[in-house]
Amino acid sequence: KNEVEQSPQNLTAQEGEFITINCSYSVGISALHWLQQHPGGGIVSLFMLSSGKKKHGRLIATINIQEKHSSLHITASHPRDSAVYICAVGGNYGGATNKLIFGTGTLLAVQP
Amino acid sequence: EPEVTQTPSHQVTQMGQEVILRCVPISNHLYFYWYRQILGQKVEFLVSFYNNEISEKSEIFDDQFSVERPDGSNFTLKIRSTKLEDSAMYFCASTGTVRTDTQYFGPGTRLTVL
Repeated sequence: KNEVEQSPQNLTAQEGEFITINCSYSVGISALHWLQQHPGGGIVSLFMLSSGKKKHGRLIATINIQEKHSSLHITASHPRDSAVYICAVGGNYGGATNKLIFGTGTLLAVQP
Repeated sequence: EPEVTQTPSHQVTQMGQEVILRCVPISNHLYFYWYRQILGQKVEFLVSFYNNEISEKSEIFDDQFSVERPDGSNFTLKIRSTKLEDSAMYFCASTGTVRTDTQYFGPGTRLTVL
């Protein structure tokens, strides 16, 4: 069983739609990360959160520690939001490390 | 804004050859990581490095792999004898002075082993 599960794996939306991507995890964590990966391959950190909710522009990330669940929302989606969105968790796994455990990603395509 | 850089962006090599992938983390960062992503698969942890030593390594990181921070700025990943299955995108990441802070990723090196 994967330690980090994302859904859906693929998502197609029309421009302007509200989008939700979900992430569930089964391990203890210190923080959950949402990352964006564009077709060229580079990875950009969007959010790091350990409780509650964070907002940046049209992006909102929430986490429920008790439920071991997080969601990434995109409001008023735009074609430039098309990318792979990855959930990853980091934890106190011992020692001087905070390795991230990654989900498989959600491929989002926003059509004009 | 400071960023993590990686060179080369693409490396093609023959099976059995040694490759060195280079990373320059953000200058005041203390924690360093290598991850890899095989085409179509999820990103996987390889190794973490702190205070000039490996702090954790995955099962993938066998004796063929080594890391080094030779001069206080570069952070390198060496694969001694490449295999076809080493073909992947390799990402370097770094974190500042707090271990659990945001990790900043480099743009990646695409390694192709023929």
